[in-house]
Amino acid sequence: DADVTQTPRNRITKTGKRIMLECSQTKGHDRMYWYRQDPGLGLRLIYYSFDVKDINKGEISDGYSVSRQAQAKFSLSLESAIPNQTALYFCATSDHPSQPQHFGDGTRLSIL
Amino acid sequence: AQTVTQSQPEMSVQEAETVTLSCTYDTSESDYYLFWYKQPPSRQMILVIRQEAYKQQNATENRFSVNFQKAAKSFSLKISDSQLGDAAMYFCAYRSPYSGGGADGLTFGKGTHLIIQP
Repeated sequence: DADVTQTPRNRITKTGKRIMLECSQTKGHDRMYWYRQDPGLGLRLIYYSFDVKDINKGEISDGYSVSRQAQAKFSLSLESAIPNQTALYFCATSDHPSQPQHFGDGTRLSIL
Repeated sequence: AQTVTQSQPEMSVQEAETVTLSCTYDTSESDYYLFWYKQPPSRQMILVIRQEAYKQQNATENRFSVNFQKAAKSFSLKISDSQLGDAAMYFCAYRSPYSGGGADGLTFGKGTHLIIQP
């Protein structure tokens, strides 16, 4: 089983719908992250969390919210999806900043 | 805020040859961490190599090595004996050792698409 699991793998939805992307991990890491990848722009940080009571905005948090339900679970929500939120979304985990982040396989989200 | 620049949107190399991908970054910090990640068509993000800024020795992982020039803020990736499986997007990333004040996570470059010609 993967250490960092994202569901769903792909999702197509309509403008205005509420969407939740889920992430769970078995690595025991405290830090969890959500990134967005757009073609030609690399990955950009949306939100990150140090533990269930510590959630922080990243570079591009507008239009998104998150919930850290447990150390192992970190979900990303789009309250009212819009087409320019169409992108590939990654969840990642890490322990110490010196160590690499471990990524899930991504969720490809298309908003029509 | 830190920035990472990858100036080569696309590179092409013959199989078995050597290729170097460039990365520069801008920071006011003296200690930090640098990473190269590979993203094949399967879209997974796979760690290739990491470098700690306080270490002068360049990191090496099998056919992959870096040329880390701290004063020039340069962190290039060299791939020797290129193989078809090396074809992918390659991302350079920076991480600060400090996580306070709302700063954490990786700062990525825009990526370099590496094509391997058989």
